[in-house]
Amino acid sequence: DAGVIQSPRHEVTEMGQEVTLRCKPISGHNSLFWYRQTMMRGLELLIYFNNNVPIDDSGMPEDRFSAKMPNASFSTLKIQPSEPRDSAVYFCASSPRGREKETQYFGPGTRLLVL
Amino acid sequence: AQTVTQSQPEMSVQEAETVTLSCTYDTSESDYYLFWYKQPPSRQMILVIRQEAYKQQNATENRFSVNFQKAAKSFSLKISDSQLGDAAMYFCAYWRGDALNFGKGTSLLVTP
Repeated sequence: DAGVIQSPRHEVTEMGQEVTLRCKPISGHNSLFWYRQTMMRGLELLIYFNNNVPIDDSGMPEDRFSAKMPNASFSTLKIQPSEPRDSAVYFCASSPRGREKETQYFGPGTRLLVL
Repeated sequence: AQTVTQSQPEMSVQEAETVTLSCTYDTSESDYYLFWYKQPPSRQMILVIRQEAYKQQNATENRFSVNFQKAAKSFSLKISDSQLGDAAMYFCAYWRGDALNFGKGTSLLVTP
């Protein structure tokens, strides 16, 4: 299996621009998670989906952040407008159904820099 | 809230030696899951080991093993025969029932 795929791997943008991060989970996994990692706050859960449905978005920092999962093989995290404090590494992870549902497999991350 | 505490920001070990990374957690649940993830400089998060709380036997994966003390809410990771490739950040994580709560991480340096 190809593992969790994220794109782009690096993104540099200017304050005020829209940023879209993409994720393809492992085939057959039914849960998808978006995390943000910063030096100050560590790894934070932003939102997660079960069977394409958003379950908990309480970690989304503010209305500038939105996430969608239109189908089982694709999810996006959008920041509009972006701000310098959004600079971080954004991880997508997926987990299977059944006995191993607690085990999350991470993508390589997207390193975002907002100037 | 289930918190995860890693009290060692940095650790150092010589190649071929053994090192133990500490993790404690807080929960009122009786059945849960614990994990160690490794994050090398590439930033990729790699699953190292998983422990189910209802199992008394400590999980092992090759050179990696855990010391799970349920009553003490302690979940330490032991790395035996350390290798240069083990140098990384190590994160302890608690499965809260729907997602993971992570500790702040321990940076492991491996010296030749």
